Parts: sequence; C-alpha cells; structure tokens
Amino acid sequence: GENVEQHPSTLSVQEGDSAVIKCTYSDSASNYFPWYKQELGKGPQLIIDIRSNVGEKKDQRIAVTLNKTAKHFSLHITETQPEDSAVYFCAANSGGTSYGKLTFGQGTILTVHP
Amino acid sequence: EAEVAQSPRYKITEKSQAVAFWCDPISGHATLYWYRQILGQGPELLVQFQDESVVDDSQLPKDRFSAERLKGVDSTLKIQPAELGDSAMYLCASSLRRDSPLHFGNGTRLTVT
Repeated sequence: GENVEQHPSTLSVQEGDSAVIKCTYSDSASNYFPWYKQELGKGPQLIIDIRSNVGEKKDQRIAVTLNKTAKHFSLHITETQPEDSAVYFCAANSGGTSYGKLTFGQGTILTVHP
Repeated sequence: EAEVAQSPRYKITEKSQAVAFWCDPISGHATLYWYRQILGQGPELLVQFQDESVVDDSQLPKDRFSAERLKGVDSTLKIQPAELGDSAMYLCASSLRRDSPLHFGNGTRLTVT
C-alpha cells in the first residue's frame, strides 16, 4: 500500500520567515495530495491540495509543489505568523477518483515565534 | 461554514465495555469516512461509506468494531469490547463526492482505562 514520509517532524521559525515541509510517497498511482492543519483539540483542516496534473498551486501565503517523477511534494508558507503554529499533515490518496482514502504523513509541529 | 458534527467530544470507558461514537456529516455529502488518530501520529482510515453502503472496511478490526450509516446521512461507529490500545481520537470526515476534498469533524477523544 501507500507509504508517506514527512520531514521535518518539528520546525521552529521566527515570525515573518518562511517554512517548508516536505513529503515523499511510494505509490505511483496516487494523484491527489492534500495538506491539513491541525490545532490542539481540533480535527484536521484542509488548507490546500494539489492534483497530479499540475506542478504548483498557490493560495495567498501558502503554496504546494509536486514532483511526480521524484514522488515528492512540499508545502511552503511565507511570511509566517504566530497563528500558523500547529501540526501540519501531508497526505496522498490511493489513486483513481477516490480523494478521501488518504494515507497521512506523521506530521510536522510548526512553531512560529513572535 | 458547514461543519461535520461529532459527539461526544470526550469519552472515558473501562476495557471490555462497549462504546459508540456519532457523526453527522455536512449536509448533502454522500461520502463519509471514519479515521483513527493515535496521539502523535497521522489519521488512519477505518471505513468508507458511499451513501448507506460500505465501500471499504478493509482496515476496520471487524472482530470488535462496527460502523453503520443506515439512512445514508449520519453514522455510528461502535467498539465492543474496548481494549486499552483503542485509546485514540476518532475522526469523522465527509466529502460531497468521492472525488471531492475531505472535511473533518473535531473528533471524539476516547480513553480506555
């Protein structure tokens, strides 16, 4: 089955700096890659997603890049703010048209210091 | 913004007891999922419904876990008997269609003593 590796496990940045989180996946059939933000005591919240037919997607301060050949994708957060502090998860689907059957990475704890 | 509703938020039970969790997906969402999240890890899929039918329960420990979505709307996940290793966050998620993004509820935190 699919295996998703996520790095780093913890990331500490100063407010205003950029943060980058990287993930690799194993199943070449995967074609949907969402990123979720999880705050303490809450469920994961979708922040951005990318499909395999595009290489990059941007939404304000957040961007995701996908390299299908290398089977890795990354989350980029620019101009970080203290409210960006949370656990971030990458995920990959098992291919086809099912975007809800996801394998998640282990998570990255992002801390943004004021 | 519409949300996935889950109850209870917290549940403490003794091992060997039965426990049930309830989920009400976003209105109109045909696909519903139950995930389990162990502390410090990413969520893992347990079961997927399309309307009232189970699409995939290959990761559901069927000797003790059961799930149903009788009218194709809300869903119940049951554990009987609960074991210490079942302590985790149980997350419900829904999507408009199978090829739509997934939206999670805030989960039920289960502690088995």
